[in-house]
Amino acid sequence: DIQMTQSPSSLSASVGDRVTITCRASQSVSSYLNWYQQIPGKAPNLLIFGASSLHSGVPSRFSGSGSGTDFTLTISSLKPEDFATYYCQQSYSTPPTFGQGTKVEIK
Amino acid sequence: QVQLVESGGGVVQPGRSLRLSCTASGFTFSSYGMHWVRQAPGKGLEWVTIISYDGSNERYAASVKGRFTISRDNSKNTLYLQMNSLRAEDTAVYYCAKDRGYYYDTTGLAYVMDVWGQGTTVTVSS
Repeated sequence: DIQMTQSPSSLSASVGDRVTITCRASQSVSSYLNWYQQIPGKAPNLLIFGASSLHSGVPSRFSGSGSGTDFTLTISSLKPEDFATYYCQQSYSTPPTFGQGTKVEIK
Repeated sequence: QVQLVESGGGVVQPGRSLRLSCTASGFTFSSYGMHWVRQAPGKGLEWVTIISYDGSNERYAASVKGRFTISRDNSKNTLYLQMNSLRAEDTAVYYCAKDRGYYYDTTGLAYVMDVWGQGTTVTVSS
């Protein structure tokens, strides 16, 4: 199975900050990398698929980049509703695997 | 609007069985693959299983293979997860999720989950 490792595991940030989360795969996943947001007590929501494509309805302050083994999710200017846990997931091979999550907390 | 609603969760003793259901609305259910994903208390997301649009193809995580069975009834827009020989480590919130498919072929399995249900809680305890 492909292992996905996110860093950091948690971070504190203020409204308006630029936030970057990193995801590393244990082997190349090409561009088959997706990002999800999970607000506490809620189901996850798809943000980014194919490493950099914004899912319908997702604000443009979210962006993704990378290919191969190293990927980044960036929130350009943090809003109050962005405080959540973010997961990366590879869809290159079965089983699809998730990172352990990055919790974005209010500073 | 596009919606998935899970049901069937509850408290069950180790070794017993439970069947989860997921009812879909707002999209052509019969054209998309469907997943089950679970989340143990305080933990991350774990993919469980997928079924193709017509039920002809299934894949399972190693942790549930041989114990869990995914199925679907396209006439009822409903997805199922039959869980047998339940263990304490199966305790989790179970989400059903729609596979995004491909723009050129919605029936293809992209392993991207673009719509999620609200989840149903399964607790395995004596």
